Amino acid sequence: EAQVTQNPRYLITVTGKKLTVTCSQNMNHEYMSWYRQDPGLGLRQIYYSMNVEVTDKGDVPEGYKVSRKEKRNFPLILESPSPNQTSLYFCASRPDLAGAKQYFGPGTRLTVT
Amino acid sequence: QKEVEQDPGPLSVPEGAIVSLNCTYSNSAFQYFMWYRQYSRKGPELLMYTYSSGNKEDGRFTAQVDKSSKYISLFIRDSQPSDSATYLCAMSGVDSSYKLIFGSGTRLLVRP
Repeated sequence: EAQVTQNPRYLITVTGKKLTVTCSQNMNHEYMSWYRQDPGLGLRQIYYSMNVEVTDKGDVPEGYKVSRKEKRNFPLILESPSPNQTSLYFCASRPDLAGAKQYFGPGTRLTVT
Repeated sequence: QKEVEQDPGPLSVPEGAIVSLNCTYSNSAFQYFMWYRQYSRKGPELLMYTYSSGNKEDGRFTAQVDKSSKYISLFIRDSQPSDSATYLCAMSGVDSSYKLIFGSGTRLLVRP
């Protein structure tokens, strides 16, 4: 089954404790991205990657890091999480084609206390 | 001004009603238009996909794009309680690096 998977689905952590949210897709898509979704603010892109070893900032990159060492994986790293990073996070992927359909993972709900 | 504007709702309708959801946009470079449905605590699911202007129908769902007015719509016929969700419009340009721009979503509630 073609899908985007994320882990963990739920995470509660404390301020400053480094964490990684994994994302994997099995559709051989070049383009992957991370979003956060907050009430009233909609989906905001954090980082994106157009292929292996190619990443770039989205609209809200502060406090986040990413890496793309393999085509299928695109982990999101919070080196020193803060409470304002409490949010619902989505990974997404699509082919590197104009207008290509984008598919989302199931989401990771992160709470930073 | 946001590139894509969408009324957040909530929109509450009785079962069987015709639902109209809309987005306006400001960037004339947008060529690809999508509607996503997002159930509570789930990831957005691609519902409808349209290139340029015109209509597209899929079962009870019809997507319309009016590029001259920079206005897109999603119609749901014979709405069901299972249609209760947040609907997000999204759009992008012709460049493959052009990211998707999302509306903030309209929450729909279909009452039995």
